[in-house]
Amino acid sequence: AQKVTQAQTEISVVEKEDVTLDCVYETRDTTYYLFWYKQPPSGELVFLIRRNSFDEQNEISGRYSWNFQKSTSSFNFTITASQVVDSAVYFCALSEGYSGGYQKVTFGTGTKLQVIP
Amino acid sequence: SQTIHQWPATLVQPVGSPLSLECTVEGTSNPNLYWYRQAAGRGLQLLFYSVGIGQISSEVPQNLSASRPQDRQFILSSKKLLLSDSGFYLCARRSGHPSDTQYFGPGTRLTVL
Repeated sequence: AQKVTQAQTEISVVEKEDVTLDCVYETRDTTYYLFWYKQPPSGELVFLIRRNSFDEQNEISGRYSWNFQKSTSSFNFTITASQVVDSAVYFCALSEGYSGGYQKVTFGTGTKLQVIP
Repeated sequence: SQTIHQWPATLVQPVGSPLSLECTVEGTSNPNLYWYRQAAGRGLQLLFYSVGIGQISSEVPQNLSASRPQDRQFILSSKKLLLSDSGFYLCARRSGHPSDTQYFGPGTRLTVL
């Protein structure tokens, strides 16, 4: 069975601080995908990144960076120089490899990030 | 571009009343569509998914139902709402291979009183 654990329920940081959101996953599949989504106060889930299980390269996009480590089953998300607009709930998610039909995505319970000005 | 619309944005309904939430998708044909519910302060729970017109699969037994009358339309319904049906309902579409990512609509916030 798939499982995604986001142990940090809420995090508060002061603006311009760096913050890392943790994500640990469990799966028996060798092919899988990991995702991060952002949910601002408006509610819509915004897709941030997708990684497949064969690509462990870390990725950087502006102030966002992701660290994927299969050895520890983790896919952590770091925001550098946080801004108030980063305040949101962030979800980590996991799906099995492409099946051509139903795609089961397992979401973590989310980490609420509050950036204080 | 592919856009997901959800209607209505917010809804307040009394217990026992019927429900109909609509999700429509633009810019793609034969999308895989999903209904999720998010209770206050909680994660996402998959309710239904559909791989095509008239094809609905349910993940969780409950008093909700879903229908797919048209290729780009996905409807969530209930004959009699319960207090526990309150929550934020999100429709999602699955992008094609190899991207294989779910993209979400703006959601409908339902309060059952």
